Amino acid sequence: SYELTQPPSVSVSPGQTASITCSGDKLGDKYACWYQQKPGQSPLLVMYQDVKRPSGIPERFSGSNSGNTATLTISGTQAMDEADYYCQAWDSSTMIFGGGTKLTVL
Amino acid sequence: QGQLVQSGTEVKKPGASVRVSCKASGYTFTRYGITWVRQAPGQGLEWMGWISVNNGKTNYAQKLQGRVTMTTDTSTSTAYMELRSLRSDDTAVYYCARVAGSTSEFDYWGQGTLVTVSS
Repeated sequence: SYELTQPPSVSVSPGQTASITCSGDKLGDKYACWYQQKPGQSPLLVMYQDVKRPSGIPERFSGSNSGNTATLTISGTQAMDEADYYCQAWDSSTMIFGGGTKLTVL
Repeated sequence: QGQLVQSGTEVKKPGASVRVSCKASGYTFTRYGITWVRQAPGQGLEWMGWISVNNGKTNYAQKLQGRVTMTTDTSTSTAYMELRSLRSDDTAVYYCARVAGSTSEFDYWGQGTLVTVSS
């Protein structure tokens, strides 16, 4: 079965750039999207179709997807960006989530 | 702006069934699909399946085939998820979400429903 692999944790200093990766076989041939989830809250879509930001998502969030890796990049990371991030892709009509990455801003 | 409001907390015994509802507002219900995602305590997101509101077609995660049923009532703009033969490892927060766009991202989410399975 298809799998998406994310690092369990990423740390970044305020104002710096955070990159969260998501790896899967030929992931670049699929569309990836990303969700942010803060404690006690529902997930929030922050990126779709690899590079598109939903309305209301700050411009500091950007995405890319090529080869076997999709990446969510947060430029000028703020304390409010501290959360769990999940990548997602469809494979043969089955939706797959990555295991999630805890982003710590310290 | 779309909104999804889910039913409240449930406590069930092993072997029982649970039905969670998800009422949509603020958009045309029949133009989008509804998906269900669950999250066990301290764990990641697990996709359960989705239903096309337009034609009722469903697609369930293989792991839950035979135990889950997703339905909709277009007259009330409400989606339902029923899970049968509950086990302790079904304890989780269950979310509904709207399936949007040509690439089927989940753009609006319900607030979640905690289902606890315990004897």
